[in-house]
Amino acid sequence: ETGVTQSPTHLIKTRGQQVTLRCSSQSGHNTVSWYQQALGQGPQFIFQYYREEENGRGNFPPRFSGLQFPNYSSELNVNALELDDSALYLCASTNGGLAKNIQYFGAGTRLSVL
Amino acid sequence: GESVGLHLPTLSVQEGDNSIINCAYSNSASDYFIWYKQESGKGPQFIIDIRSNMDKRQGQRVTVLLNKTVKHLSLQIAATQPGDSAVYFCAERSEEYGNKLVFGAGTILRVKS
Repeated sequence: ETGVTQSPTHLIKTRGQQVTLRCSSQSGHNTVSWYQQALGQGPQFIFQYYREEENGRGNFPPRFSGLQFPNYSSELNVNALELDDSALYLCASTNGGLAKNIQYFGAGTRLSVL
Repeated sequence: GESVGLHLPTLSVQEGDNSIINCAYSNSASDYFIWYKQESGKGPQFIIDIRSNMDKRQGQRVTVLLNKTVKHLSLQIAATQPGDSAVYFCAERSEEYGNKLVFGAGTILRVKS
């Protein structure tokens, strides 16, 4: 158990809809990163939030957006869903805003877009 | 799209043998490396990490070796157990990449009893 919790565990949406995924970071961690993992591939970095500010972004379009709250929990929002958005969405928490600190992952949210 | 998972390298080992999982990383400027284990239906689980100023680090039953000359990372698992069966990912971090980990494609480890 990493102490990182994500909700929901599974979600089914249709093309064009919007989705919000949630993540609670490990106690004491102020940094949350979001990753997309397509079937059979390694996780791909979407963005990171450190002390409520975006602190790095991967190669994802603006319809992927996020928030971090004062308690360091975070949301990932995806607008105008496309079929290729079907994936496992992972949240990882760490401390200090640096990718060279160990990131602890949650179990993920499995999103299916039909 | 194509299911890249069908093409993931697979390592099959007998229970009790040692396993070596290899990873070629892409950026010679990477300064931090990490191995994760991912079981079916779960998120990646931290195994061991290493910084670029080291070439070897040992944990419980695991050892990571870093060869910066050829940009190669390996994970050695001693006395492999059925519970070690999973997909193993290496990841790298560099200033060039900013605040993110860049993951490899993964290796499937199957442990035969």
